[in-house]
Amino acid sequence: AQSVSQHNHHVILSEAASLELGCNYSYGGTVNLFWYVQYPGQHLQLLLKYFSGDPLVKGIKGFEAEFIKSKFSFNLRKPSVQWSDTAEYFCAVNARAGTASKLTFGTGTRLQVTL
Amino acid sequence: DTAVSQTPKYLVTQMGNDKSIKCEQNLGHDTMYWYKQDSKKFLKIMFSYNNKELIINETVPNRFSPKSPDKAHLNLHINSLELGDSAVYFCASSSGRHLTEAFFGQGTRLTVV
Repeated sequence: AQSVSQHNHHVILSEAASLELGCNYSYGGTVNLFWYVQYPGQHLQLLLKYFSGDPLVKGIKGFEAEFIKSKFSFNLRKPSVQWSDTAEYFCAVNARAGTASKLTFGTGTRLQVTL
Repeated sequence: DTAVSQTPKYLVTQMGNDKSIKCEQNLGHDTMYWYKQDSKKFLKIMFSYNNKELIINETVPNRFSPKSPDKAHLNLHINSLELGDSAVYFCASSSGRHLTEAFFGQGTRLTVV
């Protein structure tokens, strides 16, 4: 069964600092990869996704992620974080489950950006 | 217009009660999901329906029964509520069985007392 690991559980950064959140997945087949963000008290919103092609994916709000197949990783990056980026970040893998697919999420990383 | 809407947003109920959560999507998607987010923010899929057909049924107590009257609606009924059922339940939808992107509702925070 597929699994997703996010090793950073809680990250605290000052505004303008650079961000990198780790995500590793375990699945032998073709995967689609996602990063979702959950602002306090809100629903999950898609930041970016990777299906195929250029392994460097750009998303909304200045976020990007790089798919490294050999490392089974899909790390999220942002050069300069803002206070408004304070949120929970989830990496997810879409893999086959029988005749359908399902999103398997990592445990999430809580990002706290201080002024 | 809200793409995926859930009602109610908050639900507080006593142990042993039966409750339902409703979900509707206006995106024209044919696949809908229920996810449970526990107190540690961990998200786990519970069920998925494609065109009213149950296609994913994870290891969930049979007190939980999903129902999809049509492809735009997916409801979740929970019998004999237990303290451990307290969580945020998210509905989501996507196009096709092999989702390319899931759109999530606002969530229903269920508290069992």
